[in-house]
Amino acid sequence: GIQVEQSPPDLILQEGANSTLRCNFSDSVNNLQWFHQNPWGQLINLFYIPSGTKQNGRLSATTVATERYSLLYISSSQTTDSGVYFCAVEPKAAGNKLTFGGGTRVLVKP
Amino acid sequence: EAQVTQNPRYLITVTGKKLTVTCSQNMNHEYMSWYRQDPGLGLRQIYYSMNVEVTDKGDVPEGYKVSRKEKRNFPLILESPSPNQTSLYFCASARDRRTDTQYFGPGTRLTVL
Repeated sequence: GIQVEQSPPDLILQEGANSTLRCNFSDSVNNLQWFHQNPWGQLINLFYIPSGTKQNGRLSATTVATERYSLLYISSSQTTDSGVYFCAVEPKAAGNKLTFGGGTRVLVKP
Repeated sequence: EAQVTQNPRYLITVTGKKLTVTCSQNMNHEYMSWYRQDPGLGLRQIYYSMNVEVTDKGDVPEGYKVSRKEKRNFPLILESPSPNQTSLYFCASARDRRTDTQYFGPGTRLTVL
């Protein structure tokens, strides 16, 4: 099946810093999404972004489907950005299944 | 308030005792899905449903059943739970699978002894 790899696995940021999270996938996809899980376990869908660039406040995401990667940018990080960020893809060869990467754990220090 | 609810939130049970985790959404969403989350293995999709009476397997369907008899409910059934099904389970729904945001329930922490 498709492989989804996220990097880095862990990230420590000082409040106000910018960062980039990466998601690489091994096969063509119909769909790519980014999720955030806060320290209390709540999951939130951040972006649906099979291609192109989207922005939502201090977060933005870019997917280059032809090169099989996506980037999540966090600008001016805040402590509320802490948690785990997951990307998930829907492989073209696998119907509507969603396969997740292992996540990037982010800690933003005040 | 728009939400996805799961019950129970916590459950400790024994091997082989059938159980059902309920999931309900009040947003008239067509798409619903179940995921499990395990340390070191991340999130994995168990089953999903594109609409009423339409369900399909995710990456880890073994040992689970689902049904989608009405749009708002998508129960997860463990006919004969085993310890390897100890996990944190999330239900999610979306208006449209392809283009819309998924909304997650609060999670159900299941322990099978």
